[in-house]
Amino acid sequence: ILNVEQSPQSLHVQEGDSTNFTCSFPSSNFYALHWYRWETAKSPEALFVMTLNGDEKKKGRISATLNTKEGYSYLYIKGSQPEDSATYLCAPTRMNYGGSQGNLIFGKGTKLSVKP
Amino acid sequence: EAGVAQSPRYKIIEKRQSVAFWCNPISGHATLYWYQQILGQGPKLLIQFQNNGVVDDSQLPKDRFSAERLKGVDSTLKIQPAKLEDSAVYLCASSLRFRTGETYEQYFGPGTRLTVT
Repeated sequence: ILNVEQSPQSLHVQEGDSTNFTCSFPSSNFYALHWYRWETAKSPEALFVMTLNGDEKKKGRISATLNTKEGYSYLYIKGSQPEDSATYLCAPTRMNYGGSQGNLIFGKGTKLSVKP
Repeated sequence: EAGVAQSPRYKIIEKRQSVAFWCNPISGHATLYWYQQILGQGPKLLIQFQNNGVVDDSQLPKDRFSAERLKGVDSTLKIQPAKLEDSAVYLCASSLRFRTGETYEQYFGPGTRLTVT
């Protein structure tokens, strides 16, 4: 069983604050790491797919880094806005026998609330 | 491009009743997934289809859950009979393909929130 830990469970920040979350996962047989954002009553939306150790990706004010050797990823939001309020989910996948990608194993998520 | 469609959005049933959920993936997506997300947990994969064949159903409670994907497009997930612990959001997702050596994004529908009383 792949144990995926996300911290913190929830976070309340003021508009304009910068924030970051952590996703920890077993590093053995790592294949890829996905980050999703899930706003209430909407569909989960893919933010990043990362595969390489040291990878860093950016989308607007949101960025993510990946350390596959120690098994963690950070998600950063610079200057949080109320519209960033959502649950942020990470999901690593493992290498299957035969070299294919296994299925996504989601963490419990970090729920972010941004107050105006 | 149209997203993943799911219906109904909400459903309330009594325990021991049956329920079915429908999913229409993004056009051209070969792979379709059903997830169950219980409050406070991350989404858990129930079943994965590649076209109309099952790739992984290892976490599907087969005594009460069934799913099909006729003609490799739409899919239905059924629960019969429902239990209280089946109360959850049921998410459908699709992706272009599931191929060795490739990484892919999954596109999710809005989910069906099921309440079993």
